[in-house]
Amino acid sequence: NAGVTQTPKFRILKIGQSMTLQCTQDMNHNYMYWYRQDPGMGLKLIYYSVGAGITDKGEVPNGYNVSRSTTEDFPLRLELAAPSQTSVYFCASRRLASSTDTQYFGPGTRLTVL
Amino acid sequence: KQEVTQIPAALSVPEGENLVLNCSFTDSAIYNLQWFRQDPGKGLTSLLLIQSSQREQTSGRLNASLDKSSGRSTLYIAASQPGDSATYLCAVGGEGQNFVFGPGTRLSVLP
Repeated sequence: NAGVTQTPKFRILKIGQSMTLQCTQDMNHNYMYWYRQDPGMGLKLIYYSVGAGITDKGEVPNGYNVSRSTTEDFPLRLELAAPSQTSVYFCASRRLASSTDTQYFGPGTRLTVL
Repeated sequence: KQEVTQIPAALSVPEGENLVLNCSFTDSAIYNLQWFRQDPGKGLTSLLLIQSSQREQTSGRLNASLDKSSGRSTLYIAASQPGDSATYLCAVGGEGQNFVFGPGTRLSVLP
C-alpha cells in the first residue's frame, strides 16, 4: 500500500492563479480530510468528506473547493490564489469515524503564493 | 469551540533523559485524543490514540495519559534518543469526529 499520496510536493503560484492539489489513498478509507498548517500553528481543517459524493466545510474553507467523485481521490482546488494561502497542505484519510480509528497523513504540499 | 494548547512550545534535552510533553483542551466532551510525530518536511505519523474511556496507552518507550475531567493529556518519553527529535502534536477528536490540533512541541534530543 502506498497509503496517502499528494502531488505536487512544492508549488509557487502568482496572485490570482488557480491550481489543484491532488490527494489519493489506496486503503479504501471512507473519510478524507484537507488541512493547512501555518508556521508554529496546529493543523486547521479546510474540508472533509465522509464518502464519495459527500463533502463538507471545515474551520477555514474560504478560497478553496473540493470534490469527491471516487473513494480514492479528494482534490483540493484553489481559485484566485492569495498570499494568505501560503501554507503547507496535508491530506489525510481514515477508515471510519470511530473512537479507535486513526488518521493517516500524506507527506504534504508546500505552497507559496507571491 | 474546542481549543487545544501544548506546553512547552520547544524543549531541548540531553540524550537519555525522561521527558513529559503536555496537551490541554477546553472541552472535556471528547471521543479520543491522539499524539502524532512530525519530522521536518514530512507528514504526521500516529504514535498513540487514547479513547475517551481509557486512562492511558503505551507503546515501547512512549506512554500517553488522559484526564478528561481536567482537560489534560501527557506524553511521556523514556530514555530519550536523538532519533526522537521531532515536533509532537496532540489532536482531540470530538463531536463530528473531526480532530482539533494543538500547535505542537518541538523536541530536540542532544547526543
